[in-house]
Amino acid sequence: DAMVIQNPRYQVTQFGKPVTLSCSQTLNHNVMYWYQQKSSQAPKLLFHYYDKDFNNEADTPDNFQSRRPNTSFCFLDIRSPGLGDAAMYLCATSRDVRAANSPLHFGNGTRLTVT
Amino acid sequence: KNEVEQSPQNLTAQEGEFITINCSYSVGISALHWLQQHPGGGIVSLFMLSSGKKKHGRLIATINIQEKHSSLHITASHPRDSAVYICAGPSGGGADGLTFGKGTHLIIQP
Repeated sequence: DAMVIQNPRYQVTQFGKPVTLSCSQTLNHNVMYWYQQKSSQAPKLLFHYYDKDFNNEADTPDNFQSRRPNTSFCFLDIRSPGLGDAAMYLCATSRDVRAANSPLHFGNGTRLTVT
Repeated sequence: KNEVEQSPQNLTAQEGEFITINCSYSVGISALHWLQQHPGGGIVSLFMLSSGKKKHGRLIATINIQEKHSSLHITASHPRDSAVYICAGPSGGGADGLTFGKGTHLIIQP
């Protein structure tokens, strides 16, 4: 049974057209993360939520926003996608706010193409 | 901030071979994660360990906290083990996230 679900699996958007990626979890974990992974590179943390507390990485572009309306759902909004934003976007959850202290559970990712 | 290095970057082996993937990190940590990523992108958590050794099936992970080094071993490797293996440790500097290594792309040939 999938515990972290990302939709859609593949997303194509046009340059500059806002796009939203979604993530849901059935684990009731406090922490939800969004990672960006470009081809042949390591995943890069964009931001994370601990409950409703939002934590933005210092180098995450303002173009990327996130919403977490409840424990189960978290959204990644890209306000004006550029060609450089084409990547795999991975959602992950963990029980503990300190990522070192509890396993991460990943979704299957959404592969974003920008045309 | 923690820096995580993996080696080798690419590894091709024959079915049945014993596989070792290495990971070193720069900042003392409380735990290290080993992850597996298959083609198509999904990531699965294999191990989280803070000391000694853990074993799950044919996979073994070891860590030496003093030397800031961890290894992932695969015994009796099989083509279905082909994947990217990633180690990750706390980012450090008060951040809550993980710093990922660049991954080891493993191919097991029949």
